Amino acid sequence: DVKVTQSSRYLVKRTGEKVFLECVQDMDHENMFWYRQDPGLGLRLIYFSYDVKMKEKGDIPEGYSVSREKKERFSLILESASTNQTSMYLCASSVGGEGNQPQHFGDGTRLSIL
Amino acid sequence: ILNVEQSPQSLHVQEGDSTNFTCSFPSSNFYALHWYRWETAKSPEALFVMTLNGDEKKKGQISATLNTKEGYSYLYIKGSQPEDSATYLCAFTGGTSYGKLTFGQGTILTVHP
Repeated sequence: DVKVTQSSRYLVKRTGEKVFLECVQDMDHENMFWYRQDPGLGLRLIYFSYDVKMKEKGDIPEGYSVSREKKERFSLILESASTNQTSMYLCASSVGGEGNQPQHFGDGTRLSIL
Repeated sequence: ILNVEQSPQSLHVQEGDSTNFTCSFPSSNFYALHWYRWETAKSPEALFVMTLNGDEKKKGQISATLNTKEGYSYLYIKGSQPEDSATYLCAFTGGTSYGKLTFGQGTILTVHP
């Protein structure tokens, strides 16, 4: 079974802090994704990566950056946290290709910015 | 940004009822349509990935159909049980997008005993 592990289930940070959310997958997947989920808005893509050191902006990349130094690890960075970044963050991975393979999700990190 | 719409937003049914919901997506440049189930306090779980017009997929009491020409997919649950209570998400992808998905806002299903 694919395992996608997010480093924290709950996290509380202060405005202006630099925040790191970590995600690790154990199935050698090429593609990795970061989403945020807000009530009534579904999952929105922040960034994705299709290979080590490769990254692409999703639909809402402002205020975020990512890092993929190793194939199994994809980090989301909030450069200077703001209260509007309070949300549920989900990481996912999938086999390489153009989208006919399912994505496998972590349990999510509920992030609160005070 | 692509438009993927799901209806209804939420649904309350009694145990044993059958139910269905809709996902509409762009009919041009279609590559695949995904369905996921997201139970509270768990991670979203893939139900189906559908790629061909007219495709029908089934998993237990849950089935899905796909019409790529008109841009919609239906998800059916036959004889709903309380454990079917979840948010059901559909997601669309066009070609050459490295597996990038655009999700609908989800349908929240509550099955009352």
